[in-house]
Amino acid sequence: AQSVTQPDIHITVSEGASLELRCNYSYGATPYLFWYVQSPGQGLQLLLKYFSGDTLVQGIKGFEAEFKRSQSSFNLRKPSVHWSDAAEYFCAVNFGNEKLTFGTGTRLTIIP
Amino acid sequence: KAGVTQTPRYLIKTRGQQVTLSCSPISGHRSVSWYQQTPGQGLQFLFEYFSETQRNKGNFPGRFSGRQFSNSRSEMNVSTLELGDSALYLCASSRGDSGPEAFFGQGTRLTVV
Repeated sequence: AQSVTQPDIHITVSEGASLELRCNYSYGATPYLFWYVQSPGQGLQLLLKYFSGDTLVQGIKGFEAEFKRSQSSFNLRKPSVHWSDAAEYFCAVNFGNEKLTFGTGTRLTIIP
Repeated sequence: KAGVTQTPRYLIKTRGQQVTLSCSPISGHRSVSWYQQTPGQGLQFLFEYFSETQRNKGNFPGRFSGRQFSNSRSEMNVSTLELGDSALYLCASSRGDSGPEAFFGQGTRLTVV
């Protein structure tokens, strides 16, 4: 079955520290991969996407993600987090059927 | 370029009533998808419309329906509201013919009392 897993429900990091949010998917082929961010009461903002080609993709707000086919993973990273990065992050996958399947989300808390 | 616009932002309805939510996609986008977000179930796909036709449907009861107009604007309707329908309803817009990149609106917060 096609599925998306975000194993970390909640992550707390210090401002200025590095960040990595994990995402794994279950699918036989390479899907379209996305990361979205959601602030409380708001919609989803697209951070970055992977369709094909270079497996390290750059997004907005200083985020990047790396696609690893062998691990069926698409982890999100940021070298140095800012207090404004506190939000919920969703990994989403399009398995070729024009709909997005989302992970359960990772809530990011930033401490001073 | 204007983003995805959802109206209204907030709604309070009583059990048994029906509700209609509206979504205006990004100009030039022909695909509109709807998602329900709840704390318990997360983000779940409702349906997708492309060129006025429903192209994909999620696992929701028939009380949930939608339509798309010739200008790509979409509406979703929920009839006979239940308490469990309280959720954030998100609309996503994409070109629909190549590249599945989807852009979301701010959502409509529906509360059923």
